[in-house]
This record gives sequence, structure tokens and C-alpha cells, in this order.
Amino acid sequence: DTGVSQDPRHKITKRGQNVTFRCDPISEHNRLYWYRQTLGQGPEFLTYFQNEAQLEKSRLLSDRFSAERPKGSFSTLEIQRTEQGDSAMYLCASSLALAGTDTQYFGPGTRLTVL
Amino acid sequence: AQSVTQLGSHVSVSEGALVLLRCNYSSSVPPYLFWYVQYPNQGLQLLLKYTSAATLVKGINGFEAEFKKSETSFHLTKPSAHMSDAAEYFCAVSHNNNDMRFGAGTRLTVKP
Repeated sequence: DTGVSQDPRHKITKRGQNVTFRCDPISEHNRLYWYRQTLGQGPEFLTYFQNEAQLEKSRLLSDRFSAERPKGSFSTLEIQRTEQGDSAMYLCASSLALAGTDTQYFGPGTRLTVL
Repeated sequence: AQSVTQLGSHVSVSEGALVLLRCNYSSSVPPYLFWYVQYPNQGLQLLLKYTSAATLVKGINGFEAEFKKSETSFHLTKPSAHMSDAAEYFCAVSHNNNDMRFGAGTRLTVKP
């Protein structure tokens, strides 16, 4: 299967710990997006990359959140000093940028639980 | 700023009945509109998208949606519900694809 993959699928951590999630996009896709989804809500955009450049990061929730895509392929999302309010599903999506709009394909998500 | 409103957080239909999930959008520029479906513990799967080519958009699994500019709506329909359609459905709007805004979702229940 060549869809978007995310690892881990589930993460349980204690408040104050750092966590890192990985996303592997569809291989030919040059754009990669991160979203957060809380219970009963739609996904909330966090940040996105075109190749290795992070073109939008103002919507990251706080300075505890950071993302990288060092070689323009996989990406990581790190949350430092986790808080209980960070508990959510973190979704990754990728797309192939073309003229007009491109379709985002989503991974299965990483469910984070902060105790 | 663009946004979507999904009317009805929960819709219940009988198997074989019409499915109608409502979405209204707000956008200052011509929008791109999307419907995604999410099954439990899974990511989102694209059902269909509107990109101004045609106002009636056909998607996967028998779903379709009609873009109505005068009503700022993009409602999702399916003539006959199947048990496998039970899921969460999200409407989304974007005008540059860098800022996709999702609605809060509508949970569809299909009764036998």
C-alpha cells in the first residue's frame, strides 16, 4: 500500500514529557500537512510543508509544537512538555501541488493521550 | 476568512432511505469544497470535491453533492443508504489549499 502512514498509531505519555510523531507521505507528493482533531470536532490545520520548506506555521498551537521535514520526504511533529489538553488525534496528509487545488490524502492518525 | 457549517451533528436514516447531509460555506473568494468520510479510528477519506468544473459532483460509494452559489451550500446526498455508510462526514472549504477549514462533522447512523 502506498498511502500516507503515521507512526505510532497510539501514544500514551505523562504530562511534561516530550513526544514525537512521524508521517510518511505518498512518495511523489511534495506537500505535507499536519492537523489536530479533538473529540467531536473536525481537523484543525497546524502547519504544512512544500518539499522541505515549512511555508505556514503560524497556526501551530504554541511554541511547544514544532515540525520538520528535513529531506522533503517524511516529517516529524514534536510536542514538548505535553499537557493534558494536548490529548487528541494528530493527522498527517499529503498532496501533489498542481495548478488550482490539490487533493489532500490523509493518514490514519496518531492518537495521543496525556495522563 | 472562510468557514463551513454542518447542520446537524447527528443524522439517522433507515437502510435504503435517502441520505442528506448539509453543509453551508462562507468564503470571500470562489471556494474549493470537499466532503471527507471518517470511519472509527481511521483517517479521512475523500468522497468528492468541487473545483468549479461542474456544480453537480459525483463521488465514490454513490455519493454526490451539488454546489449552489446562491445558497452558499454544498449538501451531500446518496439515494439509498447502506449499513456501511455509517461514519462521520466532514465538509471542508479551501481557496488556496494551504488553509483548509473543516466543519465539526456529522455522524451518520444507518438503522436496519
